[in-house]
Amino acid sequence: NAGVMQNPRHLVRRRGQEARLRCSPMKGHSHVYWYRQLPEEGLKFMVYLQKENIIDESGMPKERFSAEFPKEGPSILRIQQVVRGDSAAYFCASSLRWGRQETQYFGPGTRLLVL
Amino acid sequence: GQQVMQIPQYQHVQEGEDFTTYCNSSTTLSNIQWYKQRPGGHPVFLIQLVKSGEVKKQKRLTFQFGEAKKNSSLHITATQTTDVGTYFCAGPEFQGAQKLVFGQGTRLTINP
Repeated sequence: NAGVMQNPRHLVRRRGQEARLRCSPMKGHSHVYWYRQLPEEGLKFMVYLQKENIIDESGMPKERFSAEFPKEGPSILRIQQVVRGDSAAYFCASSLRWGRQETQYFGPGTRLLVL
Repeated sequence: GQQVMQIPQYQHVQEGEDFTTYCNSSTTLSNIQWYKQRPGGHPVFLIQLVKSGEVKKQKRLTFQFGEAKKNSSLHITATQTTDVGTYFCAGPEFQGAQKLVFGQGTRLTINP
């Protein structure tokens, strides 16, 4: 029973390039969350998606960042024209369904380094 | 907005000593969750507390949810080197929300 999968695990980009991060939720899970973690800090919520819908993107910067969770395939977090401040670990989590007590299971993360 | 704060930020102990981290929310929480993140790893779910005053144990770990449902603690008895990591608490932004607000974590290091 595979857990949440993320790729790539490490990504190096130069300033101005695009970064594309992928997340495959646990089998049967239809809810995906993206978090960002800066070094020595906690996790900051970015966006919550269900299949084909963005439910809550209140934590995602309005410029350069976008997220999708298509009917088929993984969820994608896209960062355009990356800057050094985007360097962080990006974690995806998934849950079985919406519910106030639903556990979120985290993937291994993508460590993004912007040169 | 809601804030979740943890203290201490860092804790270094000798192996075998006890360890406690405290979590405080600026608002009442419908539930609180605890995660552990090993260095270089990802958050791993430990437990969820829902009821006021709830206490749950997992081997040497004891989790407590305050009566007012605004604070929580994690206590580890007789730490072992495998306990090293950062412990985060997290709560829903508001009742019914899926968005989790995380504390900044307590990093535990252990001297063997």
